[in-house]
Amino acid sequence: DTAVSQTPKYLVTQMGNDKSIKCEQNLGHDTMYWYKQDSKKFLKIMFSYNNKELIINETVPNRFSPKSPDKAHLNLHINSLELGDSAVYFCASSQGDRGYGYTFGSGTRLTVV
Amino acid sequence: GNSVTQMEGPVTLSEEAFLTINCTYTATGYPSLFWYVQYPGEGLQLLLKATKADDKGSNKGFEATYRKETTSFHLEKGSVQVSDSAVYFCALRNDYKLSFGAGTTVTVRA
Repeated sequence: DTAVSQTPKYLVTQMGNDKSIKCEQNLGHDTMYWYKQDSKKFLKIMFSYNNKELIINETVPNRFSPKSPDKAHLNLHINSLELGDSAVYFCASSQGDRGYGYTFGSGTRLTVV
Repeated sequence: GNSVTQMEGPVTLSEEAFLTINCTYTATGYPSLFWYVQYPGEGLQLLLKATKADDKGSNKGFEATYRKETTSFHLEKGSVQVSDSAVYFCALRNDYKLSFGAGTTVTVRA
């Protein structure tokens, strides 16, 4: 069983469209995250939810909106896609204690054309 | 704030060579430290971790020791294989947030 699964794995879409990426974890973790990895492999945190409550909201355009219907799911909706949104988006989950690392999904490669 | 600095790559080695990737950090409080590995086309996998000063994390022949006095967590492996070719990320965690270094690309040639 996949611990953190995200769909779709690949997403190619035109500028201006709206798209969603879904994430689910079956580890019983209480905290979930979205990260963006750019073409130079740099990883930047975007959002984090703890038990469905938003706890980290980095400087991200408000075209990006996370939604957590329950603590096992964290979806990312992106409005009015731009070329610069092209990247790999990773979902991750963790227990809340700082001693735990994150478990990452396999990523969603978003290409905006 | 928290930050992680790791040596820039790319690093190219021959099989069985010794690998060191330097990592230093700046943080408030007592962070936990991690190394993650990303193989081509895949997500990040936790390689090893250390949660307090002088702890040594180890896995798959890789080691790193949490050095509070030098604020470092350098990754080492004594004899690399072609299968170790990947991007390696140093990271630290305070509270909920995991902050990553820029990543170091390692290529091992047969």
